[in-house]
Amino acid sequence: QQQVKQSPQSLIVQKGGIPIINCAYENTAFDYFPWYQQFPGKGPALLIAIRPDVSEKKEGRFTISFNKSAKQFSLHIMDSQPGDSATYFCAATDYSQGGSEKLVFGKGTKLTVNP
Amino acid sequence: EAGVTQFPSHSVIEKGQTVTLRCDPISGHDNLYWYRRVMGKEIKFLLHFVKESKQDESGMPNNRFLAERTGGTYSTLKVQPAELEDSGVYFCASSQSTRDEQYFGPGTRLTVT
Repeated sequence: QQQVKQSPQSLIVQKGGIPIINCAYENTAFDYFPWYQQFPGKGPALLIAIRPDVSEKKEGRFTISFNKSAKQFSLHIMDSQPGDSATYFCAATDYSQGGSEKLVFGKGTKLTVNP
Repeated sequence: EAGVTQFPSHSVIEKGQTVTLRCDPISGHDNLYWYRRVMGKEIKFLLHFVKESKQDESGMPNNRFLAERTGGTYSTLKVQPAELEDSGVYFCASSQSTRDEQYFGPGTRLTVT
């Protein structure tokens, strides 16, 4: 079963728009939620991450909103630019488990920002 | 500083053949992870090395997959014999310690025909 569900699968916005990507998780033991950005031909790269003790985190134009009770988190990209066009993955892991901090990923969202 | 490198970038093999993928982590990173993305699906964890020891291999799909990490440096992932469902992109990631950011390589695209 899929532990992290991500939507939408694809998203097209105009430059300056605010794309929002949503993720939901099942495992309440997850305690670290990173977002990865992947450009064609490259591997995923960490964009921003949040822990469940805060409800929002901002880094530049990227914001994560986190709702612990609903087991949902989302990525907002303010003033989106064509250079933001990429595939975005949400992920989760259980740091308290000790040992292997394997990441559990969503299926990814292909974002296209038109000029 | 060089990033995580993977070789080859693309491999096309026939069903039943053997393929070996290689990953060179960032120098000094003790932790090395293998992940796989089958087309249209999520990136899935395969296994985790700490230095040369397998910390967690719970994601390995079956015994046709064999991973090694020689001397705690580079790692290889061998698929023998390959099946059609093994097609996908295999990513390697490394981190300095277990709770640090995982840095991903560009991946190896494996196509089994």
